[in-house]
Amino acid sequence: AQTVTQSQPEMSVQEAETVTLSCTYDTSESDYYLFWYKQPPSRQMILVIRQEAYKQQNATENRFSVNFQKAAKSFSLKISDSQLGDAAMYFCAYRRTGTASKLTFGTGTRLQVTL
Amino acid sequence: SQTIHQWPATLVQPVGSPLSLECTVEGTSNPNLYWYRQAAGRGLQLLFYSVGIGQISSEVPQNLSASRPQDRQFILSSKKLLLSDSGFYLCAAEGEGRNEQFFGPGTRLTVL
Repeated sequence: AQTVTQSQPEMSVQEAETVTLSCTYDTSESDYYLFWYKQPPSRQMILVIRQEAYKQQNATENRFSVNFQKAAKSFSLKISDSQLGDAAMYFCAYRRTGTASKLTFGTGTRLQVTL
Repeated sequence: SQTIHQWPATLVQPVGSPLSLECTVEGTSNPNLYWYRQAAGRGLQLLFYSVGIGQISSEVPQNLSASRPQDRQFILSSKKLLLSDSGFYLCAAEGEGRNEQFFGPGTRLTVL
Protein backbone atom coordinates (compact mmCIF):
# COMPACT_ATOMS: atom_id res chain seq x y z
CA ALA A 1 0.00 0.00 0.00
CA GLN A 2 1.14 3.50 -0.72
CA THR A 3 1.97 5.80 2.16
CA VAL A 4 2.73 9.49 2.30
CA THR A 5 4.72 11.03 5.14
CA GLN A 6 5.00 14.68 6.09
CA SER A 7 7.44 14.92 8.96
CA GLN A 8 6.96 18.62 9.71
CA PRO A 9 3.72 19.24 11.63
CA GLU A 10 4.35 22.98 11.67
CA MET A 11 6.59 25.43 9.84
CA SER A 12 7.01 29.16 10.05
CA VAL A 13 8.33 31.64 7.51
CA GLN A 14 8.70 35.38 7.40
CA GLU A 15 6.89 37.31 4.75
CA ALA A 16 8.90 37.55 1.50
CA GLU A 17 11.18 34.68 2.55
CA THR A 18 11.38 31.16 1.13
CA VAL A 19 10.22 27.99 2.85
CA THR A 20 10.42 24.32 1.91
CA LEU A 21 7.90 21.71 3.03
CA SER A 22 8.99 18.08 3.00
CA CYS A 23 7.15 15.00 1.81
CA THR A 24 8.24 11.42 1.31
CA TYR A 25 6.21 8.55 -0.03
CA ASP A 26 6.41 4.85 -0.48
CA THR A 27 5.23 2.98 -3.55
CA SER A 28 6.19 0.06 -5.73
CA GLU A 29 4.73 1.71 -8.82
CA SER A 30 6.96 3.28 -11.46
CA ASP A 31 4.41 5.74 -12.78
CA TYR A 32 2.19 7.89 -10.58
CA TYR A 33 1.25 11.45 -9.76
CA LEU A 34 2.12 13.64 -6.84
CA PHE A 35 0.29 16.73 -5.67
CA TRP A 36 0.45 19.50 -3.12
CA TYR A 37 -2.84 20.83 -1.83
CA LYS A 38 -3.41 23.90 0.30
CA GLN A 39 -6.17 23.99 2.91
CA PRO A 40 -6.81 27.50 4.28
CA PRO A 41 -9.06 28.14 7.30
CA SER A 42 -12.11 27.82 5.03
CA ARG A 43 -11.04 24.14 4.76
CA GLN A 44 -11.53 23.91 1.02
CA MET A 45 -8.74 21.88 -0.57
CA ILE A 46 -6.98 23.86 -3.28
CA LEU A 47 -4.64 22.22 -5.76
CA VAL A 48 -1.30 24.01 -5.70
CA ILE A 49 0.91 21.96 -7.98
CA ARG A 50 1.19 18.52 -9.57
CA GLN A 51 4.07 16.36 -10.73
CA GLU A 52 3.98 13.38 -13.06
CA ALA A 53 6.51 10.76 -12.03
CA TYR A 54 7.68 10.05 -15.57
CA LYS A 55 8.71 13.67 -16.01
CA GLN A 56 12.17 14.50 -14.74
CA GLN A 57 11.60 18.22 -14.86
CA ASN A 58 10.36 19.71 -11.61
CA ALA A 59 6.96 21.38 -11.80
CA THR A 60 6.60 25.10 -11.13
CA GLU A 61 3.56 27.32 -10.68
CA ASN A 62 4.45 30.95 -10.14
CA ARG A 63 5.96 31.16 -6.61
CA PHE A 64 5.50 27.44 -6.00
CA SER A 65 7.96 24.81 -7.17
CA VAL A 66 8.77 21.24 -6.28
CA ASN A 67 11.93 19.23 -5.86
CA PHE A 68 11.03 15.76 -7.07
CA GLN A 69 13.61 13.08 -6.30
CA LYS A 70 12.15 9.85 -7.66
CA ALA A 71 14.88 7.52 -6.47
CA ALA A 72 14.66 8.93 -2.96
CA LYS A 73 10.85 9.04 -3.13
CA SER A 74 10.90 12.65 -2.02
CA PHE A 75 8.63 15.46 -3.14
CA SER A 76 9.21 18.79 -1.41
CA LEU A 77 7.38 22.06 -2.01
CA LYS A 78 9.21 25.37 -2.13
CA ILE A 79 7.29 28.57 -1.64
CA SER A 80 9.19 31.67 -2.68
CA ASP A 81 8.42 35.25 -1.67
CA SER A 82 5.98 34.01 0.99
CA GLN A 83 2.80 36.01 1.45
CA LEU A 84 0.37 36.22 4.36
CA GLY A 85 -2.19 34.44 2.20
CA ASP A 86 0.07 31.41 2.00
CA ALA A 87 -0.70 30.59 5.64
CA ALA A 88 -2.59 27.28 5.59
CA MET A 89 -2.31 23.53 6.01
CA TYR A 90 -0.41 21.94 3.17
CA PHE A 91 -1.02 18.33 2.21
CA CYS A 92 1.12 16.16 0.01
CA ALA A 93 -0.83 13.54 -1.94
CA TYR A 94 -0.10 10.53 -4.12
CA ARG A 95 -2.22 9.08 -6.90
CA ARG A 96 -1.64 5.93 -8.90
CA THR A 97 -2.16 6.06 -12.63
CA GLY A 98 -5.41 4.60 -13.90
CA THR A 99 -9.00 5.51 -14.62
CA ALA A 100 -10.13 6.22 -11.09
CA SER A 101 -7.70 6.22 -8.25
CA LYS A 102 -7.86 7.71 -4.81
CA LEU A 103 -5.54 10.31 -3.44
CA THR A 104 -3.45 9.14 -0.52
CA PHE A 105 -2.70 12.10 1.72
CA GLY A 106 -0.03 12.87 4.24
CA THR A 107 -0.94 14.26 7.63
CA GLY A 108 -0.22 17.83 6.61
CA THR A 109 2.08 20.69 7.54
CA ARG A 110 0.70 23.85 9.06
CA LEU A 111 2.49 26.87 7.61
CA GLN A 112 2.53 30.15 9.51
CA VAL A 113 3.61 33.34 7.78
CA THR A 114 4.87 36.14 10.01
CA LEU A 115 5.50 39.80 9.33
CA SER B 1 -13.05 24.91 -15.61
CA GLN B 2 -15.11 22.76 -13.33
CA THR B 3 -17.01 23.96 -10.28
CA ILE B 4 -18.05 21.69 -7.44
CA HIS B 5 -20.98 22.52 -5.18
CA GLN B 6 -21.71 20.92 -1.86
CA TRP B 7 -24.60 21.40 0.53
CA PRO B 8 -25.32 21.92 3.20
CA ALA B 9 -22.19 23.75 4.35
CA THR B 10 -22.82 22.91 7.99
CA LEU B 11 -25.04 20.32 9.60
CA VAL B 12 -25.76 19.35 13.19
CA GLN B 13 -27.66 16.10 13.57
CA PRO B 14 -28.65 13.88 16.51
CA VAL B 15 -27.38 10.34 16.81
CA GLY B 16 -29.65 7.93 14.98
CA SER B 17 -30.98 10.46 12.49
CA PRO B 18 -30.60 10.06 8.70
CA LEU B 19 -28.13 11.95 6.55
CA SER B 20 -28.03 13.19 3.00
CA LEU B 21 -25.14 15.27 1.64
CA GLU B 22 -25.20 16.37 -1.95
CA CYS B 23 -22.45 17.18 -4.40
CA THR B 24 -22.96 18.54 -7.91
CA VAL B 25 -20.39 19.31 -10.56
CA GLU B 26 -20.42 21.87 -13.35
CA GLY B 27 -18.10 22.34 -16.28
CA THR B 28 -17.21 18.75 -17.05
CA SER B 29 -18.96 15.61 -18.19
CA ASN B 30 -18.39 11.98 -17.19
CA PRO B 31 -16.30 12.92 -14.18
CA ASN B 32 -14.93 10.50 -11.64
CA LEU B 33 -16.43 11.54 -8.31
CA TYR B 34 -15.08 10.97 -4.82
CA TRP B 35 -16.26 11.39 -1.23
CA TYR B 36 -13.54 11.99 1.38
CA ARG B 37 -13.80 12.53 5.13
CA GLN B 38 -11.37 14.56 7.17
CA ALA B 39 -11.25 14.10 10.92
CA ALA B 40 -10.08 17.08 12.96
CA GLY B 41 -6.38 17.81 12.41
CA ARG B 42 -5.86 14.91 10.05
CA GLY B 43 -5.56 14.11 6.38
CA LEU B 44 -8.34 12.95 4.12
CA GLN B 45 -9.67 9.42 3.96
CA LEU B 46 -11.47 8.17 0.86
CA LEU B 47 -14.97 6.85 1.54
CA PHE B 48 -16.47 6.21 -1.91
CA TYR B 49 -15.76 6.82 -5.54
CA SER B 50 -17.78 6.56 -8.74
CA VAL B 51 -16.78 6.29 -12.38
CA GLY B 52 -20.31 6.59 -13.73
CA ILE B 53 -24.05 6.69 -13.03
CA GLY B 54 -25.01 3.97 -10.60
CA GLN B 55 -21.42 2.79 -10.19
CA ILE B 56 -20.20 3.09 -6.62
CA SER B 57 -17.07 1.66 -5.05
CA SER B 58 -16.57 1.66 -1.30
CA GLU B 59 -13.14 2.06 0.25
CA VAL B 60 -13.99 1.63 3.89
CA PRO B 61 -16.88 -0.41 5.31
CA GLN B 62 -18.95 1.86 7.52
CA ASN B 63 -22.28 3.36 8.38
CA LEU B 64 -22.46 5.38 5.18
CA SER B 65 -23.54 4.79 1.60
CA ALA B 66 -23.26 6.70 -1.65
CA SER B 67 -25.29 7.02 -4.81
CA ARG B 68 -24.87 8.64 -8.18
CA PRO B 69 -28.29 9.20 -9.73
CA GLN B 70 -27.03 11.57 -12.43
CA ASP B 71 -23.74 12.06 -14.23
CA ARG B 72 -22.76 15.11 -12.18
CA GLN B 73 -24.51 14.38 -8.90
CA PHE B 74 -23.06 12.41 -6.03
CA ILE B 75 -24.91 11.80 -2.77
CA LEU B 76 -23.61 10.59 0.58
CA SER B 77 -26.20 9.06 2.90
CA SER B 78 -26.75 7.31 6.17
CA LYS B 79 -29.85 5.75 7.66
CA LYS B 80 -28.70 6.23 11.26
CA LEU B 81 -25.84 8.52 12.18
CA LEU B 82 -23.24 7.60 14.77
CA LEU B 83 -21.14 9.96 16.88
CA SER B 84 -18.11 8.74 14.94
CA ASP B 85 -19.62 10.06 11.70
CA SER B 86 -18.78 13.62 12.75
CA GLY B 87 -16.21 15.24 10.50
CA PHE B 88 -15.59 17.34 7.45
CA TYR B 89 -16.85 15.77 4.21
CA LEU B 90 -15.34 16.74 0.91
CA CYS B 91 -16.51 15.88 -2.57
CA ALA B 92 -13.94 15.80 -5.36
CA ALA B 93 -14.23 15.54 -9.11
CA GLU B 94 -11.79 14.41 -11.73
CA GLY B 95 -12.50 15.39 -15.32
CA GLU B 96 -12.77 12.65 -17.93
CA GLY B 97 -9.29 11.49 -18.85
CA ARG B 98 -7.71 13.74 -16.25
CA ASN B 99 -5.62 12.79 -13.24
CA GLU B 100 -6.12 15.70 -10.89
CA GLN B 101 -8.94 16.02 -8.40
CA PHE B 102 -10.63 19.28 -7.56
CA PHE B 103 -12.58 19.69 -4.36
CA GLY B 104 -15.81 21.27 -3.30
CA PRO B 105 -16.09 23.58 -0.28
CA GLY B 106 -17.02 20.73 2.06
CA THR B 107 -19.70 20.01 4.64
CA ARG B 108 -18.99 20.17 8.36
CA LEU B 109 -21.09 17.49 10.07
CA THR B 110 -21.51 17.34 13.82
CA VAL B 111 -23.37 14.41 15.32
CA LEU B 112 -24.57 15.00 18.90
